[in-house]
Amino acid sequence: EAGVAQSPRYKIIEKRQSVAFWCNPISGHATLYWYQQILGQGPKLLIQFQNNGVVDDSQLPKDRFSAERLKGVDSTLKIQPAKLEDSAVYLCASSPITRRGADTEVFFGQGTRLTVV
Amino acid sequence: AQTVTQSQPEMSVQEAETVTLSCTYDTSESNYYLFWYKQPPSRQMILVIRQEAYKQQNATENRFSVNFQKAAKSFSLKISDSQLGDTAMYFCAFMKRPFGTSGTYKYIFGTGTRLKVLA
Repeated sequence: EAGVAQSPRYKIIEKRQSVAFWCNPISGHATLYWYQQILGQGPKLLIQFQNNGVVDDSQLPKDRFSAERLKGVDSTLKIQPAKLEDSAVYLCASSPITRRGADTEVFFGQGTRLTVV
Repeated sequence: AQTVTQSQPEMSVQEAETVTLSCTYDTSESNYYLFWYKQPPSRQMILVIRQEAYKQQNATENRFSVNFQKAAKSFSLKISDSQLGDTAMYFCAFMKRPFGTSGTYKYIFGTGTRLKVLA
């Protein structure tokens, strides 16, 4: 089966500009995550969707970050305006919900490396 | 709040040797999962092994095994017969067990251990 698709792979922007990342999860996966991975750190959850509803956005800097998952399939994460400290890899991930309940394995995309200069 | 600590930022091992990566965590939960994920250079993160906290038996997946010490809140990964393809960042992660079919959950990741396998 196809994996989690993300685009673009790399992006360089100047501070105060805006940027958007796109993610297409594995077909049928109800849960979608956006993580921020700063160099030398582990991934940090920004936002979690279940179908098209937000279940956790407690660590999303809402003054500059926004995300949507229209129709419960693909998702877009936007940063506006970008700051230098937003330089990171943005990982999208998805997981299914099985009949047993939420599955535990999360499948990751390759990520988008953002550099803000 | 849960925390995950990986105290070894970098490690190296000779090909065919065995290496152990350490992970400790802190939680007041009784039902949870622990994971090791591998992130090869410029490639996506993949699951290596998972452990359910209520299972006393340590999980194994081919050359990968864990030493799960629940009372000590320790979860180390042992890689036997190391191969060049094992070179990667390894992340330890914690997940609280969700309830029901619509329970929500999230991973808490450690800071990672960069493992280099030497030829």
